[in-house]
Amino acid sequence: DIQMTQSPSSLSASVGDRVTITCRASQVIYTDLAWYQQRPGKAPELLINAASTLRSGVPSRFSGGGSGTDFTLTITSLQPEDVATYYCQNYDSVPHMFGQGTNVELK
Amino acid sequence: QVQLVQSGAEVKKPGASVKLSCKTSGYIFSDYYLHWVRQAPGQGLEWMGWIIPTSGATSYAPKLQGRVTMTRDTSISTGYMELTNLRDDDTAVYYCANGPGGGYWGQGTLVTVSS
Repeated sequence: DIQMTQSPSSLSASVGDRVTITCRASQVIYTDLAWYQQRPGKAPELLINAASTLRSGVPSRFSGGGSGTDFTLTITSLQPEDVATYYCQNYDSVPHMFGQGTNVELK
Repeated sequence: QVQLVQSGAEVKKPGASVKLSCKTSGYIFSDYYLHWVRQAPGQGLEWMGWIIPTSGATSYAPKLQGRVTMTRDTSISTGYMELTNLRDDDTAVYYCANGPGGGYWGQGTLVTVSS
């Protein structure tokens, strides 16, 4: 199975800060990676697929990058509504494992 | 608009089975695999498997193989997930989703396993 490792597991940042979350796959997954946002008590929502394709309607302050084994999710200017847990997911091969999540809080 | 509407909460005893439904609308059911994902209380997301709506072919997470069955009824654009021999650690919110390609998730169904 391909393991997905996110870092950090949690972070605290101020409104307007640039935030970067990394996700590393244990094997090459090309660009078959998705990022999700899960607000407390809610279902996850897709932010990005194909490593860098922003889903329609997602604010442009979110961006994704990387290929192969190393990927990033960047929020260029953190907003209060971005407080959530973020997950990456491999969909190159089964099982489609998720990272363990990164909890983003406001400082 | 795209909707995935899941069945209601369930309470089951250990050893029992549960079958959840996920009724889809607003898109062509056959266009996207239907995935099931679960989340235990306070924990992360766990991918359970998917079903291909056109053929009914499935792929399951190895740890659930033998206990999980995913089916679909294309006439009503609905998917189902049955989990047997329930254990305490199957207590979770179960989600259906039309995958990274579709981008939509159901609202979740809480399954509580308790004696």
